[in-house]
Amino acid sequence: EPEVTQTPSHQVTQMGQEVILRCVPISNHLYFYWYRQILGQKVEFLVSFYNNEISEKSEIFDDQFSVERPDGSNFTLKIRSTKLEDSAMYFCASSDRGRWETQYFGPGTRLLVL
Amino acid sequence: DQQVKQNSPSLSVQEGRISILNCDYTNSMFDYFLWYKKYPAEGPTFLISISSIKDKNEDGRFTVFLNKSAKHLSLHIVPSQPGDSAVYFCAASGTSGTYKYIFGTGTRLKVLA
Repeated sequence: EPEVTQTPSHQVTQMGQEVILRCVPISNHLYFYWYRQILGQKVEFLVSFYNNEISEKSEIFDDQFSVERPDGSNFTLKIRSTKLEDSAMYFCASSDRGRWETQYFGPGTRLLVL
Repeated sequence: DQQVKQNSPSLSVQEGRISILNCDYTNSMFDYFLWYKKYPAEGPTFLISISSIKDKNEDGRFTVFLNKSAKHLSLHIVPSQPGDSAVYFCAASGTSGTYKYIFGTGTRLKVLA
């Protein structure tokens, strides 16, 4: 069964460093998403991406964040200068269509900023 | 952002009995609702969904009910099994042409053998 994969599973970084989180969405999907879950809190939307551009972003997704689909398979989230409060689980998701379509989630990357 | 609420943080049920998990929402523009199951350190796993044109959707042991007038949905698991023990999140989408999901805070289900 096709699944969303994410690497790395864990990432520890120093405050102020850049990190890139990688995702391989399900191959025929067209819509891509990043969500995050801070420990003990709800899963929250960061950004959606379609047709090689951002279709929507939340207020969390400020100038420190960027997304890219560098080739036909990978979808990346970059945090330029990490802050302590960026420590969270980051989930990538993909869906075949946009509306009324199930998003399938990857296993997540646990990011710890020291 | 309290648009989707799960008021019960935890629920314990005996194996074989029915588990009922509840979710309330405030935004009447939501038109697609889902339930996900999540184990620690894993991503949410899709369980079942329902669009606003329906009031019930069934898939095996899982049934989701939608009451639009009350802005309430529930997930029924019958019969409950120990492997169902996990955190269950409801999610909603569809406001203003956006496809993002708004998640509830989750309910931790424990099925006792």
